[in-house]
Amino acid sequence: AQKVTQAQTEISVVEKEDVTLDCVYETRDTTYYLFWYKQPPSGELVFLIRRNSFDEQNEISGRYSWNFQKSTSSFNFTITASQVVDSAVYFCALTRGGYSSASKIIFGSGTRLSIRP
Amino acid sequence: EAQVTQNPRYLITVTGKKLTVTCSQNMNHEYMSWYRQDPGLGLRQIYYSMNVEVTDKGDVPEGYKVSRKEKRNFPLILESPSPNQTSLYFCASSLSRLGVGGYTFGSGTRLTVV
Repeated sequence: AQKVTQAQTEISVVEKEDVTLDCVYETRDTTYYLFWYKQPPSGELVFLIRRNSFDEQNEISGRYSWNFQKSTSSFNFTITASQVVDSAVYFCALTRGGYSSASKIIFGSGTRLSIRP
Repeated sequence: EAQVTQNPRYLITVTGKKLTVTCSQNMNHEYMSWYRQDPGLGLRQIYYSMNVEVTDKGDVPEGYKVSRKEKRNFPLILESPSPNQTSLYFCASSLSRLGVGGYTFGSGTRLTVV
């Protein structure tokens, strides 16, 4: 069975601090895809990143970076020099690879991030 | 602009009155899906569609119907809504079911059934 765990329900930091959101996943598949989505207070879901299971390279995009470690089944997300606009709920998600695999996104329960001025 | 459009954004209805939430995408995506988001339960898949006339159940399909007569549209139908279907609903689309380029979500429909 597939599962995504975001153990941090809520995080609150002061602006300009770095913050890491944890994501641990479970799957028996060798091919799978991992995602991060941001849900700001307005409610929409914004795609941040997609990673396949064969690509363990870390990725940096501006103040955002992602650390994918298959050995620990983790796909953590770090925001450097956080800003108030980063305040949102962040979801980690997993899909199975393979043509015959069931087609759904499995979401974690989300981490609510609050950045205080 | 590439987007997924859901309507309405907000809807209050009464138990048993049939309703349809529309979803349309302009990206020629093959894969479309519906999710509901509930506090403490996260997002759960209701139905998905791999292409025109191809639909299948997700995790929580009871009380819902879908259709995919055209590639761009994937309406969600509640034949007889009940209060436990009060939720925030999202439609999503992607080039393929593997989320190439990411899944694009609509802005959400907040449904209240009284």
